[in-house]
Amino acid sequence: GAVVSQHPSWVICKSGTSVKIECRSLDFQATTMFWYRQFPKQSLMLMATSNEGSKATYEQGVEKDKFLINHASLTLSTLTVTSAHPEDSSFYICSASGSVGNEQFFGPGTRLTVL
Amino acid sequence: EDQVTQSPEALRLQEGESSSLNCSYTVSGLRGLFWYRQDPGKGPEFLFTLYSAGEEKEKERLKATLTKKESFLHITAPKPEDSATYLCASTQGGSEKLVFGKGTKLTVNP
Repeated sequence: GAVVSQHPSWVICKSGTSVKIECRSLDFQATTMFWYRQFPKQSLMLMATSNEGSKATYEQGVEKDKFLINHASLTLSTLTVTSAHPEDSSFYICSASGSVGNEQFFGPGTRLTVL
Repeated sequence: EDQVTQSPEALRLQEGESSSLNCSYTVSGLRGLFWYRQDPGKGPEFLFTLYSAGEEKEKERLKATLTKKESFLHITAPKPEDSATYLCASTQGGSEKLVFGKGTKLTVNP
């Protein structure tokens, strides 16, 4: 159990375009979803926390107008990188948390490359 | 500031050579101490949650323990497929946010 999927697994886009990444909890209802970014050889850095039906809470230094998060249901959250630039190239990972034990279960990640 | 520090940064073992990874934390009001395994290019895979000092959990060749200041991940008779980066994280107070350490990259040679 506790499976989280992400789509797409990788994406290459041109500078200035927007990219949407989906995160789904497949076999449980996620009260909270989290979005992380991971640069090569570094640990995960939390970008934002979202609860279903409410606005996301962004970490300090993360531009909320650039990284749009929508948590429309208990099984789906989306991250849209608007007007992407090469410095946004990274590995984006989502996680989902149900109610028991507060463990976070992670998706497989999305590799974004902005040319 | 709440911190999670892992050591060593990297560890090379021969197959069958048991060892331990360390995770020390300075977190006020620890709510949970988590261990994850991450393979290259993939998201972290949940291993264990520990909630109180003295608690231990086991899964195959892995055993996680917790004291008031640190956690250990013991690996008994490791195999090459145990090679991965092992991440430690904590939550504190009323927050669900995970604070991650930088990880220990484990390589097990056949």
